[in-house]
Amino acid sequence: ETGVTQTPRHLVMGMTNKKSLKCEQHLGHNAMYWYKQSAKKPLELMFVYNFKEQTENNSVPSRFSPECPNSSHLFLHLHTLQPEDSALYLCASSQELAGVFRYNEQFFGPGTRLTVL
Amino acid sequence: DQQVKQNSPSLSVQEGRISILNCDYTNSMFDYFLWYKKYPAEGPTFLISISSIKDKNEDGRFTVFLNKSAKHLSLHIVPSQPGDSAVYFCAASVDSSYKLIFGSGTRLLVRP
Repeated sequence: ETGVTQTPRHLVMGMTNKKSLKCEQHLGHNAMYWYKQSAKKPLELMFVYNFKEQTENNSVPSRFSPECPNSSHLFLHLHTLQPEDSALYLCASSQELAGVFRYNEQFFGPGTRLTVL
Repeated sequence: DQQVKQNSPSLSVQEGRISILNCDYTNSMFDYFLWYKKYPAEGPTFLISISSIKDKNEDGRFTVFLNKSAKHLSLHIVPSQPGDSAVYFCAASVDSSYKLIFGSGTRLLVRP
Protein backbone atom coordinates (compact mmCIF):
# COMPACT_ATOMS: atom_id res chain seq x y z
CA GLU A 1 0.00 0.00 0.00
CA THR A 2 1.18 3.49 -0.74
CA GLY A 3 0.02 6.98 0.14
CA VAL A 4 -3.06 7.39 2.29
CA THR A 5 -5.67 4.64 2.39
CA GLN A 6 -9.17 4.75 3.81
CA THR A 7 -11.61 1.98 4.64
CA PRO A 8 -14.37 1.41 3.99
CA ARG A 9 -14.81 3.34 0.76
CA HIS A 10 -18.59 3.33 1.15
CA LEU A 11 -20.69 3.00 4.28
CA VAL A 12 -24.43 3.01 4.83
CA MET A 13 -25.60 3.14 8.42
CA GLY A 14 -28.72 3.74 10.42
CA MET A 15 -28.98 6.50 12.98
CA THR A 16 -28.64 4.07 15.88
CA ASN A 17 -25.59 2.24 14.53
CA LYS A 18 -22.01 2.56 15.68
CA LYS A 19 -19.33 2.38 13.02
CA SER A 20 -15.73 3.44 12.54
CA LEU A 21 -13.81 4.89 9.64
CA LYS A 22 -10.17 3.96 9.30
CA CYS A 23 -7.31 5.87 7.76
CA GLU A 24 -3.74 4.69 7.32
CA GLN A 25 -0.85 6.67 5.91
CA HIS A 26 2.25 4.97 4.49
CA LEU A 27 4.27 8.16 4.03
CA GLY A 28 6.01 8.40 7.40
CA HIS A 29 4.11 11.57 8.25
CA ASN A 30 3.37 12.71 11.77
CA ALA A 31 0.23 14.82 11.33
CA MET A 32 -3.17 13.51 10.32
CA TYR A 33 -6.47 15.22 9.55
CA TRP A 34 -10.15 14.44 9.16
CA TYR A 35 -12.15 16.53 6.71
CA LYS A 36 -15.83 16.45 5.82
CA GLN A 37 -17.23 17.33 2.41
CA SER A 38 -20.99 17.64 2.19
CA ALA A 39 -22.70 17.89 -1.18
CA LYS A 40 -21.82 21.11 -3.00
CA LYS A 41 -20.04 22.47 0.05
CA PRO A 42 -16.35 23.11 0.71
CA LEU A 43 -14.13 20.68 2.55
CA GLU A 44 -14.37 21.38 6.27
CA LEU A 45 -11.57 20.55 8.66
CA MET A 46 -12.85 18.43 11.56
CA PHE A 47 -9.90 17.18 13.58
CA VAL A 48 -6.13 17.44 13.49
CA TYR A 49 -3.56 15.26 15.21
CA ASN A 50 0.08 16.25 15.37
CA PHE A 51 2.48 13.66 16.78
CA LYS A 52 -0.60 11.72 18.02
CA GLU A 53 -1.87 14.69 20.01
CA GLN A 54 -5.14 16.30 19.03
CA THR A 55 -4.45 19.91 18.16
CA GLU A 56 -7.73 20.84 16.53
CA ASN A 57 -11.36 20.07 17.12
CA ASN A 58 -13.28 22.35 14.82
CA SER A 59 -16.52 22.47 16.86
CA VAL A 60 -17.42 18.96 15.77
CA PRO A 61 -20.43 17.31 17.49
CA SER A 62 -19.55 14.62 20.03
CA ARG A 63 -21.23 11.94 17.91
CA PHE A 64 -17.95 12.04 15.96
CA SER A 65 -15.07 10.73 18.04
CA PRO A 66 -11.53 10.61 16.62
CA GLU A 67 -8.77 8.29 17.74
CA CYS A 68 -5.11 8.37 16.80
CA PRO A 69 -3.30 5.36 18.31
CA ASN A 70 -0.06 6.10 16.43
CA SER A 71 1.13 8.50 13.78
CA SER A 72 0.20 6.09 10.96
CA HIS A 73 -3.39 5.38 11.91
CA LEU A 74 -6.42 7.56 12.43
CA PHE A 75 -9.95 6.48 13.21
CA LEU A 76 -13.26 8.29 13.25
CA HIS A 77 -15.80 6.59 15.48
CA LEU A 78 -19.41 7.32 14.59
CA HIS A 79 -22.48 6.87 16.78
CA THR A 80 -26.07 8.11 16.66
CA LEU A 81 -25.47 10.06 13.49
CA GLN A 82 -28.07 12.16 11.71
CA PRO A 83 -28.99 12.06 8.01
CA GLU A 84 -27.32 15.48 7.57
CA ASP A 85 -24.02 13.80 8.50
CA SER A 86 -24.09 12.01 5.15
CA ALA A 87 -20.99 13.21 3.33
CA LEU A 88 -17.58 12.30 1.98
CA TYR A 89 -15.08 11.96 4.84
CA LEU A 90 -11.50 12.54 3.81
CA CYS A 91 -8.37 11.76 5.72
CA ALA A 92 -5.08 13.53 5.05
CA SER A 93 -1.54 13.49 6.39
CA SER A 94 1.46 15.79 6.31
CA GLN A 95 4.99 15.95 7.60
CA GLU A 96 5.36 18.51 10.36
CA LEU A 97 8.33 19.68 12.36
CA ALA A 98 8.07 19.20 16.08
CA GLY A 99 7.07 22.48 17.70
CA VAL A 100 6.49 24.22 14.37
CA PHE A 101 3.07 23.26 13.03
CA ARG A 102 2.75 25.22 9.84
CA TYR A 103 1.31 24.30 6.47
CA ASN A 104 3.02 21.50 4.66
CA GLU A 105 1.55 19.68 1.71
CA GLN A 106 -1.35 17.54 2.80
CA PHE A 107 -1.77 14.19 1.12
CA PHE A 108 -5.34 12.99 0.96
CA GLY A 109 -6.90 9.57 0.94
CA PRO A 110 -9.74 8.71 -1.47
CA GLY A 111 -12.40 9.22 1.19
CA THR A 112 -15.28 7.25 2.67
CA ARG A 113 -18.70 8.02 1.24
CA LEU A 114 -21.05 7.85 4.24
CA THR A 115 -24.82 7.64 3.98
CA VAL A 116 -26.92 7.87 7.14
CA LEU A 117 -30.46 6.58 6.79
CA ASP B 1 -20.48 32.74 5.36
CA GLN B 2 -17.83 31.27 3.08
CA GLN B 3 -14.44 32.94 3.29
CA VAL B 4 -13.22 31.33 0.07
CA LYS B 5 -15.57 31.30 -2.90
CA GLN B 6 -15.41 29.64 -6.27
CA ASN B 7 -18.38 31.13 -8.02
CA SER B 8 -18.22 28.98 -11.14
CA PRO B 9 -19.27 25.41 -10.36
CA SER B 10 -18.18 24.24 -13.79
CA LEU B 11 -16.08 25.23 -16.80
CA SER B 12 -15.76 23.66 -20.24
CA VAL B 13 -12.74 24.36 -22.44
CA GLN B 14 -11.46 23.05 -25.76
CA GLU B 15 -8.23 21.05 -25.69
CA GLY B 16 -5.22 23.27 -26.36
CA ARG B 17 -6.91 26.44 -25.14
CA ILE B 18 -6.45 28.23 -21.86
CA SER B 19 -8.45 27.28 -18.77
CA ILE B 20 -8.94 30.02 -16.19
CA LEU B 21 -10.33 29.07 -12.81
CA ASN B 22 -11.19 31.83 -10.39
CA CYS B 23 -11.32 32.14 -6.62
CA ASP B 24 -12.32 35.04 -4.38
CA TYR B 25 -11.69 35.42 -0.69
CA THR B 26 -12.91 37.73 2.03
CA ASN B 27 -10.36 37.37 4.81
CA SER B 28 -7.51 39.83 4.32
CA MET B 29 -5.43 37.86 6.83
CA PHE B 30 -5.00 34.98 4.38
CA ASP B 31 -1.36 34.85 3.36
CA TYR B 32 -1.01 31.48 1.70
CA PHE B 33 -3.10 30.11 -1.15
CA LEU B 34 -3.24 26.72 -2.79
CA TRP B 35 -4.94 24.85 -5.58
CA TYR B 36 -5.83 21.19 -5.28
CA LYS B 37 -7.08 18.93 -8.04
CA LYS B 38 -9.47 16.02 -7.51
CA TYR B 39 -10.30 13.16 -9.83
CA PRO B 40 -13.40 11.02 -9.19
CA ALA B 41 -12.91 8.35 -6.51
CA GLU B 42 -9.57 9.85 -5.53
CA GLY B 43 -8.52 12.30 -2.85
CA PRO B 44 -7.50 15.86 -3.70
CA THR B 45 -3.87 16.28 -4.76
CA PHE B 46 -1.81 19.42 -4.35
CA LEU B 47 -1.22 21.32 -7.56
CA ILE B 48 0.36 24.70 -6.92
CA SER B 49 0.58 27.35 -4.23
CA ILE B 50 1.42 31.02 -3.80
CA SER B 51 2.46 33.16 -0.88
CA SER B 52 0.95 36.60 -0.41
CA ILE B 53 4.36 38.19 -0.96
CA LYS B 54 4.15 37.14 -4.61
CA ASP B 55 1.64 37.90 -7.33
CA LYS B 56 2.48 35.02 -9.64
CA ASN B 57 3.78 31.48 -9.40
CA GLU B 58 4.37 29.24 -12.35
CA ASP B 59 4.88 25.49 -12.61
CA GLY B 60 4.90 24.10 -16.11
CA ARG B 61 1.48 24.54 -17.67
CA PHE B 62 0.02 25.86 -14.42
CA THR B 63 0.23 29.46 -13.25
CA VAL B 64 -1.45 30.99 -10.24
CA PHE B 65 -2.03 34.74 -10.09
CA LEU B 66 -2.81 36.62 -6.89
CA ASN B 67 -4.44 40.04 -6.76
CA LYS B 68 -4.42 41.03 -3.10
CA SER B 69 -6.22 44.31 -3.55
CA ALA B 70 -9.11 42.52 -5.24
CA LYS B 71 -8.83 39.49 -2.93
CA HIS B 72 -8.80 37.33 -6.00
CA LEU B 73 -6.69 34.51 -7.31
CA SER B 74 -6.84 32.56 -10.50
CA LEU B 75 -5.34 29.39 -11.90
CA HIS B 76 -4.36 29.35 -15.55
CA ILE B 77 -3.78 26.10 -17.39
CA VAL B 78 -2.09 26.46 -20.76
CA PRO B 79 -2.49 24.48 -22.92
CA SER B 80 -5.40 22.54 -21.46
CA GLN B 81 -5.39 18.78 -21.89
CA PRO B 82 -8.20 16.22 -21.49
CA GLY B 83 -6.35 14.77 -18.51
CA ASP B 84 -6.82 18.08 -16.73
CA SER B 85 -10.54 17.35 -16.47
CA ALA B 86 -11.16 17.26 -12.70
CA VAL B 87 -12.55 19.31 -9.85
CA TYR B 88 -10.25 22.13 -8.76
CA PHE B 89 -10.32 23.45 -5.22
CA CYS B 90 -8.91 26.74 -4.09
CA ALA B 91 -7.75 26.94 -0.46
CA ALA B 92 -6.27 29.58 1.81
CA SER B 93 -4.71 29.85 5.24
CA VAL B 94 -3.74 32.49 7.76
CA ASP B 95 -0.11 32.72 8.78
CA SER B 96 0.71 29.73 6.55
CA SER B 97 -1.21 27.55 8.98
CA TYR B 98 -2.11 23.92 8.39
CA LYS B 99 -5.72 25.02 8.84
CA LEU B 100 -6.89 25.34 5.24
CA ILE B 101 -10.14 27.03 4.26
CA PHE B 102 -11.42 25.54 1.02
CA GLY B 103 -13.69 26.77 -1.71
CA SER B 104 -16.49 24.55 -2.99
CA GLY B 105 -14.65 23.64 -6.18
CA THR B 106 -14.94 24.14 -9.94
CA ARG B 107 -15.42 21.18 -12.24
CA LEU B 108 -13.25 21.57 -15.35
CA LEU B 109 -14.02 19.63 -18.51
CA VAL B 110 -11.45 19.77 -21.29
CA ARG B 111 -13.03 18.64 -24.56
CA PRO B 112 -10.82 16.77 -27.06
